[in-house]
Amino acid sequence: QQQVKQSPQSLIVQKGGISIINCAYENTAFDYFPWYQQFPGKGPALLIAIRPDVSEKKEGRFTISFNKSAKQFSLHIMDSQPGDSATYFCAAVNAGGTSYGKLTFGQGTILTVHP
Amino acid sequence: SQTIHQWPATLVQPVGSPLSLECTVEGTSNPNLYWYRQAAGRGLQLLFYSVGIGQISSEVPQNLSASRPQDRQFILSSKKLLLSDSGFYLCAWSLRRNRAGQPQHFGDGTRLSIL
Repeated sequence: QQQVKQSPQSLIVQKGGISIINCAYENTAFDYFPWYQQFPGKGPALLIAIRPDVSEKKEGRFTISFNKSAKQFSLHIMDSQPGDSATYFCAAVNAGGTSYGKLTFGQGTILTVHP
Repeated sequence: SQTIHQWPATLVQPVGSPLSLECTVEGTSNPNLYWYRQAAGRGLQLLFYSVGIGQISSEVPQNLSASRPQDRQFILSSKKLLLSDSGFYLCAWSLRRNRAGQPQHFGDGTRLSIL
């Protein structure tokens, strides 16, 4: 019940295209959903995050869509650029109880944007 | 602004040798601190987390231990390294606000190779 399932494992997109990464969760106690971007040899960096009281959040070319009833959320990267090529992780946090803000990560998606 | 520092960036150690990786956070007080291991550039595994000085929780049984001697210092240790301890070790921090999920912020990691 603590899992976050992420798909696809890898994604190849042409420059200017839309990249879409999907995540699904089971634990309804999750109340914060961040996305991280990781370049080789670097730590994950927070990209964008959403709380379940909104259905969509947009920051520049990055948009999170959130479907609370389906327990799914997705990252859309508009006008994908070669510099977006990285590994993307979705995650979920249950701030309550004794979880101490521990993140549950998806398995990651390797995005390659061809010029 | 808050920053997180990890060192060393890379480390090559023989099997059976001890280990000490250090992580420090600046610009915040009373953070939650976390140690992760990442294998093959994917899949972050939470090893330890700490909500205060001297308070360490272990997520998985292993050959490693963690300590928090100061509020913003987190140390990952081993008395005798195993080949299976090779990997990319990441430290992270978050604000301690249990009422709402908070993002975790990662350092740039230590690449540990065991020979």
